[in-house]
Amino acid sequence: GAGVSQSPSNKVTEKGKDVELRCDPISGHTALYWYRQRLGQGLEFLIYFQGNSAPDKSGLPSDRFSAERTGESVSTLTIQRTQQEDSAVYLCASSLDLGSTDTQYFGPGTRLTVL
Amino acid sequence: SQQGEEDPQALSIQEGENATMNCSYKTSINNLQWYRQNSGRGLVHLILIRSNEREKHSGRLRVTLDTSKKSSSLLITASRAADTASYFCVRSGNTPLVFGKGTRLSVIA
Repeated sequence: GAGVSQSPSNKVTEKGKDVELRCDPISGHTALYWYRQRLGQGLEFLIYFQGNSAPDKSGLPSDRFSAERTGESVSTLTIQRTQQEDSAVYLCASSLDLGSTDTQYFGPGTRLTVL
Repeated sequence: SQQGEEDPQALSIQEGENATMNCSYKTSINNLQWYRQNSGRGLVHLILIRSNEREKHSGRLRVTLDTSKKSSSLLITASRAADTASYFCVRSGNTPLVFGKGTRLSVIA
């Protein structure tokens, strides 16, 4: 079946505007993760969802960042009042379950540029 | 921290040579995973080694794990230009995976 998809692939916005990034996980995967990757850096964990449990938001860098997930399907990451330091590639991943052995399958990412 | 630290930060080799990347970590693990990221295929899972395993092979990849030294290595044999990518080791325990900055491998044809 299809892999993880993300949209848009690229987003250019002006400082202060809000943006919404979308992730469609692999069907049947109960765990969904959001990461941020700045240029030349590793991945920075933002948030994860597992089934109907409360999401782990411990990685969100500020209250301008929020995410939602509808059941075990689509997730949206919202960044309010964007700043230039928010410019990065935002990666979404899903796994069959939240477990230490579960492989994460990554989407192609959304490249966000804040002018 | 669950983060693995890859070493070296960058590695450049000729096609056909072997490439070795190392990873160190600080606390105990359940298992360790290696991922590859390149511009063509994004971030892809390569191999997982469990804490009770010492060595694992997958095609041209060989991963070792030394839990006493809290270290792992990834060996790519007979490298190809297509192996050019960033490689990340990721420890997984009870919390989501945490990625370090990775090793940037360049294979020159």
